[in-house]
Amino acid sequence: EVQLVESGGGLVQPGGSLRLSCAASGFTFSNYEMNWVRQAPGKGLEWVSYISGSGSSIYYADSVEGRFTIARDNARNSLYLQMNSLRAEDTAVYYCARRDLAWELNWGQGTLVTVSS
Amino acid sequence: EIALTQSPATLSLSPGERATLSCRASQSVRSYVAWYQQKRGQAPRLLIYDASNRAPGIPARFSGSGSGTDFTLTINSLEPEDLAVYYCQHRNGYRRTFGPGTKVDIK
Repeated sequence: EVQLVESGGGLVQPGGSLRLSCAASGFTFSNYEMNWVRQAPGKGLEWVSYISGSGSSIYYADSVEGRFTIARDNARNSLYLQMNSLRAEDTAVYYCARRDLAWELNWGQGTLVTVSS
Repeated sequence: EIALTQSPATLSLSPGERATLSCRASQSVRSYVAWYQQKRGQAPRLLIYDASNRAPGIPARFSGSGSGTDFTLTINSLEPEDLAVYYCQHRNGYRRTFGPGTKVDIK
């Protein structure tokens, strides 16, 4: 069974940094593209970032380009999102999602990031 | 950048009725549209991909259609558990865009 478990969320001040992790199990992690998708409280879904199975291809939404860095460690079956220069508008639940069938087939339960002073 | 709009914003129906949800793209996206269901407090779940293909494990009462700019998600014979927000999504290469969602209320 595919499992994705996010961690690392919490309260951070504006301008601060946070690193999210996503632990994957139940599949060959290195074979799959992965994404981060976020959802602000009471709002819709926003794609944040993509990384290929090898880590060689990476893309970001314009809203986070230059501030967030996606990475993966295939030996540890883990996906990461380093978030710097955080803003109030980055407050959201952050989901990791496995891309299969060219779409986001499997999702974690999410981790809440709150940016506030 | 392609934008997605969804209508209606809210749909209130009784169990057993048919729900018809619309997603419109600002320009042609061929068949590169998916539909997700998100129940309160849960992660989204992929229902339909490439406009009309049901994802694994999705009941047959969910169906998708459309191409180009207009897409439809149909839920036949609504069940109480279908109470959720439904999002359409477009894929453009590696990037993704979501619509604003349609909330389905069960009377």
